[in-house]
Amino acid sequence: QSALTQPASVSGSPGQSITISCTGTSSDVGGYNYVSWYQQHPGKAPQLIIYDVNNRPSGVSNRFSGSKSGNTASLTISGLQAEDEADYYCSSYTTNRTPLYVFGTGTKVTVL
Amino acid sequence: QVQLVQSGAEVKKPGASVKVSCKVSGYTLSELSMHWVRQAPGEGLEWMGGFDLEENKKVYAQKFQGRVTMTEDTSTDTAYMELSGLRSDDAAVYYCAIPAPPADFTYYFDYWGQGTLVTVSS
Repeated sequence: QSALTQPASVSGSPGQSITISCTGTSSDVGGYNYVSWYQQHPGKAPQLIIYDVNNRPSGVSNRFSGSKSGNTASLTISGLQAEDEADYYCSSYTTNRTPLYVFGTGTKVTVL
Repeated sequence: QVQLVQSGAEVKKPGASVKVSCKVSGYTLSELSMHWVRQAPGEGLEWMGGFDLEENKKVYAQKFQGRVTMTEDTSTDTAYMELSGLRSDDAAVYYCAIPAPPADFTYYFDYWGQGTLVTVSS
């Protein structure tokens, strides 16, 4: 089971919107609505920001939104802020019993 | 509120084993579905294994089968991940992670430990 494919880097100016794609297969992203997204600042543990494709945990800014079409999921960050500069990882439950979960390759978001 | 507190950094020689602990507070370990994820330096996240709610048993990623053992001590609410036959490419930060309880039909990780750095060096 290969990692989900994400762009290595995405950048934007403050206030702009950016979108990060996450491409998998019918065995993971396309097979379930169990795509989640994590934000990770340097030296810190990942933090859940989106679950089940398009749901936000309590306390997560509504500037973060998720969607999915076929085998590709997307994370959109609107009104980009300096604090959004971090690494972002998608993840999906898989139809395989091993691994149960697969993560994306990760995207570095830079706020210009 | 759940908290996961992991053991400190480890330095191991190639071929040795490492055992990382994850102490749970706020809930009992038996209420939780524990998973382990690692991250090599400068690399992405990699799921190693955890409790499969559908099969009601622990499942390990095929890549680690035969080398990894995940155990729990319910008397101290501490989970353990032991990796044997360490190689240089096992150098990574190891995280414990869980879905918020109750974990039924929950396929994401709400809570993470702070991470444990494992260095493999001769």
